[in-house]
Amino acid sequence: DGGITQSPKYLFRKEGQNVTLSCEQNLNHDAMYWYRQDPGQGLRLIYYSQIVNDFQKGDIAEGYSVSREKKESFPLTVTSAQKNPTAFYLCASKPKMVADSYNEQFFGPGTRLTVL
Amino acid sequence: AQSVTQPDIHITVSEGASLELRCNYSYGATPYLFWYVQSPGQGLQLLLKYFSGDTLVQGIKGFEAEFKRSQSSFNLRKPSVHWSDAAEYFCAVGSLRAGNMLTFGGGTRLMVKP
Repeated sequence: DGGITQSPKYLFRKEGQNVTLSCEQNLNHDAMYWYRQDPGQGLRLIYYSQIVNDFQKGDIAEGYSVSREKKESFPLTVTSAQKNPTAFYLCASKPKMVADSYNEQFFGPGTRLTVL
Repeated sequence: AQSVTQPDIHITVSEGASLELRCNYSYGATPYLFWYVQSPGQGLQLLLKYFSGDTLVQGIKGFEAEFKRSQSSFNLRKPSVHWSDAAEYFCAVGSLRAGNMLTFGGGTRLMVKP
């Protein structure tokens, strides 16, 4: 089955530790995205990548880092510099744009990160 | 900058009743509009989308939405709600600028009374 997997589903971290969230897709999508979700605030974009070995900051990139070494993988590292990392993190992917079209994003099941 | 507003944070309806969830957007060109649904602790599932053409779009699970340019709205409707529709609903607008990013509203949590 094609889809997006995120692991782990639940993650606990002590303050001051870095932690990496996994996102893998087998949809052959070019673009991948990381969002943070907090209650009542919708989804906010952290980072995105449109092609391998390239990524861009979103609206709330501070305290996060990413890599895109493979088309199917886009891991997110939450660093100790992120002041309030407890949240639900969602990964998404999207096919390459073609002229006069706009493809929707497909979402993974999410990872809930709790800082103790 | 584009933005999306969902004025209702919570809505409660009785099972079998009709539903309308409001969405207002701000965008400088023809918008690409989406409604997603999220069950607790899960990812987002696309309900429907509007790119162009007929302003009334049909989606999955019996949902529909109407694009009204004059009101900058894209409200989601369902004629008869089922208990399984209880979830959080997000409206989003897509951008053609670099990254083709989505901007989401804050979400509306739907509760269904038996």
